[in-house]
Amino acid sequence: QVTLKESGPVLVKPTETLTLTCTVSGFSLSNAAMGVSWIRQPPGKALEWLAHIFSNDEKSYSTSLKTRLTISKDTSKSQVVLTMTNMDPVDTGTYYCARIPRVYYDSSGPHFDYWGQGTLVTVSS
Amino acid sequence: SFELTQLPSVSVSPGQTASITCSGDKLGDKYASWYQQKPGQSPVLVIYQDTTRPSGIPERFSGSNSGNTATLTISGTQAMDEAAYYCQAWDSGTVVFGGGTKLTVL
Repeated sequence: QVTLKESGPVLVKPTETLTLTCTVSGFSLSNAAMGVSWIRQPPGKALEWLAHIFSNDEKSYSTSLKTRLTISKDTSKSQVVLTMTNMDPVDTGTYYCARIPRVYYDSSGPHFDYWGQGTLVTVSS
Repeated sequence: SFELTQLPSVSVSPGQTASITCSGDKLGDKYASWYQQKPGQSPVLVIYQDTTRPSGIPERFSGSNSGNTATLTISGTQAMDEAAYYCQAWDSGTVVFGGGTKLTVL
């Protein structure tokens, strides 16, 4: 059974750095066939892709946010970590991690077949 | 930058066919995916690679993509299909989501 679970702070202050962890089960981060992405959603708004990482450490970032984002993985812990610097109230929202099946990625780009439950992050002083 | 445009809302009567569109420059040259999101829940993949349904997704969900428009079609729409639907594509190394369409079944 594939599961992903996000964890991290509920509240961060403006200018602080956010660190979120996605813990996966049912598949391995060393599996070349899988990757993990982070996606966020402000309250009442649309989904926004942030970054993804594959087993070979291949990474990709949102163009508009790449200067603030770092994605990494700890295969032994089955965790993918996202850090976002210089947090602002507009960064408030639910942050999801999701799995990418690699088999389709090279021909058609990523899609996200399993999602975590999401974690709500509020940025406020 | 590449953008995907969706109508904010679509209404359909139970049992009828709902069509939800997603527009982008030469979208037909790329692959589109669709996600269903009900209030308070995480998105669920309903269509990938334009037309493929994941295991467990009902046959009433289908997709197409040509020209500048991808379409998610729900045949015999049921009350349980009321949700927000998001299209998604990949362009120049970036994942792009549409703004979402709220489907109301009334």
